[in-house]
Amino acid sequence: GNSVTQMEGPVTLSEEAFLTINCTYTATGYPSLFWYVQYPGEGLQLLLKATKADDKGSNKGFEATYRKETTSFHLEKGSVQVSDSAVYFCALSSVSSGGSYIPTFGRGTSLIVHP
Amino acid sequence: EAGVAQSPRYKIIEKRQSVAFWCNPISGHATLYWYQQILGQGPKLLIQFQNNGVVDDSQLPKDRFSAERLKGVDSTLKIQPAKLEDSAVYLCASSLVGAGRPLYGYTFGSGTRLTVV
Repeated sequence: GNSVTQMEGPVTLSEEAFLTINCTYTATGYPSLFWYVQYPGEGLQLLLKATKADDKGSNKGFEATYRKETTSFHLEKGSVQVSDSAVYFCALSSVSSGGSYIPTFGRGTSLIVHP
Repeated sequence: EAGVAQSPRYKIIEKRQSVAFWCNPISGHATLYWYQQILGQGPKLLIQFQNNGVVDDSQLPKDRFSAERLKGVDSTLKIQPAKLEDSAVYLCASSLVGAGRPLYGYTFGSGTRLTVV
């Protein structure tokens, strides 16, 4: 079946540090890939997406590139801020045996940014 | 545009009682999803609807959970009887699809936090 594996958290960084959160996936066909963010006390929000190999999704300084050869979609940001502290979820949408696109989420990676 | 609406926001029940959650998706979104998010974990898909038909319910514990979307718009998820391990946040999401794929990802509601005591 489909699966998403994210690096264990929490990831703890100082403000302005470089961020990488690793995400690898297993899926049939050509999945769409997503990163979602959940700020404390809030719901999940779409951060960025990519729908085909070598696509780069970007938003709010975050980037992720769809790497089919390594089945990865790592999230990066050049300079994190305290306000980026949240839980980040990698997700995919892939076709099931029944022919429909089914979503699968990773466990989430908590990011803590200190001033 | 209005977001995905869910109610109630919080619910506390005793084990073996029943509970129902309601969701109203974004207007025009034909696909609706119910997820269970246990603390510290990612959302787990329980059931996916396309209009009023079920697309996937392979992870729905059908002996106690049921869901319906009778008119292809709003949806209800029910648990009867509840167990302690059902304590979680129940999330509803919707999406606009093109050729079966979610075009803009999934839009989530704020969720219902269920505590079973």
